[in-house]
Amino acid sequence: AQSVAQPEDQVNVAEGNPLTVKCTYSVSGNPYLFWYVQYPNRGLQFLLKYITGDNLVKGSYGFEAEFNKSQTSFHLKKPSALVSDSALYFCAVRDPLSGGYNKLIFGAGTRLAVHP
Amino acid sequence: EPEVTQTPSHQVTQMGQEVILRCVPISNHLYFYWYRQILGQKVEFLVSFYNNEISEKSEIFDDQFSVERPDGSNFTLKIRSTKLEDSAMYFCASSEALNGGAFETQYFGPGTRLLVL
Repeated sequence: AQSVAQPEDQVNVAEGNPLTVKCTYSVSGNPYLFWYVQYPNRGLQFLLKYITGDNLVKGSYGFEAEFNKSQTSFHLKKPSALVSDSALYFCAVRDPLSGGYNKLIFGAGTRLAVHP
Repeated sequence: EPEVTQTPSHQVTQMGQEVILRCVPISNHLYFYWYRQILGQKVEFLVSFYNNEISEKSEIFDDQFSVERPDGSNFTLKIRSTKLEDSAMYFCASSEALNGGAFETQYFGPGTRLLVL
């Protein structure tokens, strides 16, 4: 069955330090991977996606993520964290071959707290 | 920048009542979706809709649920007889239809928080 794991409920980072939010996935076919961010009382905002091609994808607000097929991971990274990055981050996967052509399967979310 | 909008932002209803949640997708998008997030749980797929019919649905989306695109702009989710366990945040999303939608980004609305008493 298709699944997404975000092993950390919360990540704490000091402002200016690099951050990593981890995501691993399990799918039958080739995954399409997405990161979304949710601020309080807001919807899910798209950050970036991997479909094919370069394993390092760049997205909004200075975030990037690296697709690693051998480790089945798609970790979200940012070189220098801002306090305003504090939010809930969701990894999601779409597996058209066996997981449903359109549906996104979400991880449980990781709360990022950036401290001044 | 175009956005998905949803109304109402909050809805309180009595168990057994019907509710209709409304969404206005991004105007040039052709795929529409509903997801829900029960408090403290994962975001879960409910249904996708394309070309005026359901293209996929989850096991959650039973006969109590229905979707409709009543006009050229709105997309609705109806719950016929609400249960306590329907209390959740309901998100609408939309995407373009290139490549059958599989590659496309789904853009989410702010959600409707439904509370069933």
